[in-house]
Amino acid sequence: GESVGLHLPTLSVQEGDNSIINCAYSNSASDYFIWYKQESGKGPQFIIDIRSNMDKRQGQRVTVLLNKTVKHLSLQIAATQPGDSAVYFCAENPTEANNLFFGTGTRLTVIP
Amino acid sequence: EPEVTQTPSHQVTQMGQEVILRCVPISNHLYFYWYRQILGQKVEFLVSFYNNEISEKSEIFDDQFSVERPDGSNFTLKIRSTKLEDSAMYFCASSEAGPGRGELFFGEGSRLTVL
Repeated sequence: GESVGLHLPTLSVQEGDNSIINCAYSNSASDYFIWYKQESGKGPQFIIDIRSNMDKRQGQRVTVLLNKTVKHLSLQIAATQPGDSAVYFCAENPTEANNLFFGTGTRLTVIP
Repeated sequence: EPEVTQTPSHQVTQMGQEVILRCVPISNHLYFYWYRQILGQKVEFLVSFYNNEISEKSEIFDDQFSVERPDGSNFTLKIRSTKLEDSAMYFCASSEAGPGRGELFFGEGSRLTVL
């Protein structure tokens, strides 16, 4: 089956610093990837997505990088704020599949 | 902003009882999903639903589970005879297009506790 996993289960950063959250995926047939943020007691919230025909995509304070050669995905958060503290999941959609496969999640803690 | 709503927010039930979790997807969305998350673990896919039928389901979604769209707005997940290991947060999601063609919008979840 598909496997999406995260390198680090927890990450602590100082407020104002940049954060990088990494994710490895195993299904080379995946062509669409999403980063979700989950705050305590809430549902996953969409942050940013990227298709396999792209290497990089930028949003507001966030950047997603995709390296298909090593099947690696990263989320960069610029000027991390206390409100960014949450669990971050990467998710992949294999071609022709009707669902997303989620990774284990990384807990980001922002230290004021 | 449109959102996916779920009820109840928390349900406690006895093992062996039937449970129905309800969801109201975003109104113009065509694809519906149920996921679950056991405490502290990752979000796991259960089932996807399109055009009034199941389009894909996981190994978790066995004969004890069923989904239904009883009317034009609700999407329900039924667990016929709950087990202790069914205790989890259940998330409903919807999307305008299928996965790979747009984001899934998730509800706030329904916490199920089986005693």
